[in-house]
Amino acid sequence: EVQLLESGGASVQPGGSLRLSCAASGFTFSSYAMSWVRQASGKGLEWVSGISGSGGSTYYADSVQGRFIISRDNSRNTLYVQMNRLRVEDTAIYYCAIGGSSTWFQDWGQGTLVTVSS
Amino acid sequence: EIVLTQSPATLSLSPGERATLSCRASQSVSNFLAWYQHKPGQAPRLLIYDASNRATDIPARFSGSGSGTDFILTISSLEPEDSAVYYCQQRYNWLSFGGGTKVEI
Repeated sequence: EVQLLESGGASVQPGGSLRLSCAASGFTFSSYAMSWVRQASGKGLEWVSGISGSGGSTYYADSVQGRFIISRDNSRNTLYVQMNRLRVEDTAIYYCAIGGSSTWFQDWGQGTLVTVSS
Repeated sequence: EIVLTQSPATLSLSPGERATLSCRASQSVSNFLAWYQHKPGQAPRLLIYDASNRATDIPARFSGSGSGTDFILTISSLEPEDSAVYYCQQRYNWLSFGGGTKVEI
């Protein structure tokens, strides 16, 4: 059974940093592209960032380009996103998902809440 | 950037009725379109991919159609558990989601 478990969500001040993790199990992690997708309260889904199975290619939405860094540790079956210079508008539930620009988001985690507020 | 516009924003129907959800793309996405179901507090779930293929374990009452710029998700006979927000998503040109349609039963 595929499992994706996000962690690291917290409340942080504008300008601060946070690192989210997503522990994966039940599939061959290194064979799949992975992504982070977020949902702000009352809003729709927004793709944030993606990474290839090897980690050699990374992709970002314009809204987070230059502030977020996606990475993965295939030996630990874990996906990360380092979020820097956080803004109030980054407040959202962050989901990790299997998939990216060349595949559909076939499985998702339950999400972790990030709140950016002064 | 390809913009996906979903309509209606909210659909209120009774059990057993047919639901028709629309997704319109600002330019052609061929058949690179998927539909997801999202219930509060739960992970989103892939329903339909490549415009018309049901994902694993998705009930037959869910079907997708369309190509190019106009797509439809049909729920043939609504069940109470189908209450959710439904999103379309394209990956023809980068990635984007529609704004969602809330289905109330």
